[in-house]
Amino acid sequence: GEDVEQSLFLSVREGDSSVINCTYTDSSSTYLYWYKQEPGAGLQLLTYIFSNMDMKQDQRLTVLLNKKDKHLSLRIADTQTGDSAIYFCAESFTGTASKLTFGTGTRLQVTL
Amino acid sequence: DTEVTQTPKHLVMGMTNKKSLKCEQHMGHRAMYWYKQKAKKPPELMFVYSYEKLSINESVPSRFSPECPNSSLLNLHLHALQPEDSALYLCASSQDLAGGNTQYFGPGTRLLVL
Repeated sequence: GEDVEQSLFLSVREGDSSVINCTYTDSSSTYLYWYKQEPGAGLQLLTYIFSNMDMKQDQRLTVLLNKKDKHLSLRIADTQTGDSAIYFCAESFTGTASKLTFGTGTRLQVTL
Repeated sequence: DTEVTQTPKHLVMGMTNKKSLKCEQHMGHRAMYWYKQKAKKPPELMFVYSYEKLSINESVPSRFSPECPNSSLLNLHLHALQPEDSALYLCASSQDLAGGNTQYFGPGTRLLVL
């Protein structure tokens, strides 16, 4: 089995940057994803990174992958109140693309 | 269009009822999924369909019965559920089961079993 860990809670002020971290134990993952879940809603795909990449930037989002340390992070620049949600990292593996292993989720609270 | 729709949005049912959850996508995806999500937990995979055939059943109790009538639709038939089955049920789809195909999720059906 694979374990994907995230810190439970993060609070940031509006306008600051948020960094949400994810650590995993299985190094054979092929793709790593970040999903956002607002209260009572489904999961919204934010971004993903292929495992042979180190970094991916998409507007306010920057994903960093350190394969050696099995560490994935999501940086949100200029965090807004609308960014308040639970963020899940997830990984998929070669040959078992149907199986996403989700992290435990980080609740991001944005304060004024 | 990356939309997956689910109906109903909310469902309350008794332990002797029979109900169905519905999921639809028009992205031409050939893989569809059911997940169960309890409060403050990540989603747990229940079933995977590939080209309208059941590909994975994650040892889900038989009171949950999936059905894929065509490539755009996925149903989850519910019968004799227990209160602990109360959860958010999420549907997702992806292009197929090949590596790197992103899963897109619907908004979910919030189920309460009394």
